[in-house]
Amino acid sequence: GDSVIQMQGQVTLSENDFLFINCTYSTTGYPTLFWYVQYSGEGPQLLLQVTTANNKGSSRGFEATYDKGTTSFHLQKTSVQEIDSAVYYCAMGPSSGSWQLIFGSGTQLTVMP
Amino acid sequence: NAGVIQTPRHKVTGKGQEATLWCEPISGHSAVFWYRQTIVQGLEFLTYFRNQAPIDDSGMPKERFSAQMPNQSHSTLKIQSTQPQDSAVYLCASSPGWDQDTQYFGPGTRLLVL
Repeated sequence: GDSVIQMQGQVTLSENDFLFINCTYSTTGYPTLFWYVQYSGEGPQLLLQVTTANNKGSSRGFEATYDKGTTSFHLQKTSVQEIDSAVYYCAMGPSSGSWQLIFGSGTQLTVMP
Repeated sequence: NAGVIQTPRHKVTGKGQEATLWCEPISGHSAVFWYRQTIVQGLEFLTYFRNQAPIDDSGMPKERFSAQMPNQSHSTLKIQSTQPQDSAVYLCASSPGWDQDTQYFGPGTRLLVL
């Protein structure tokens, strides 16, 4: 069945460190892929969205590249800041006729000052 | 634009009581989604509507859970005879209506069943 895998449950970095969060997906076809960020007490909010048409997305210093060959969609940022501390979710968009998002298990990022 | 509005933000019920959660989608959005978030299961899809019609309820528990969208400005998720395992954050999202559209989430309703 369709699935999204995020292996890193928690990541702790210092300010200005490089961030890399793994995400792989499994489905038929080429879905739109998303990274959502969730701050404490809030709902998930879109960080970036990538389709096979553009292959790469960026927002607020974060970048993600759609790799159809390895079915991966990793998130990276060159220099994280304390305000980036949040939970990051990789999600796979509509496929097989349903519009539901399928989320990974989330990565809790803590950035130490 | 106020974003997706969910009420109440917190709800505490006793085991066996009914809980009704409300969602007001972003004005003009034609698709409304419900998700449930727990520590153990993460973010799980429950159901969604398009132009007020139920389209996919494959994630809804077969018993006790029901969702409706009586008009374009609100949707409800009702849980009858709540159980402790129903404790979760229930998230509502809306999107403009194309299948690749971004879903915009509300802040969620935190339900605690004692």
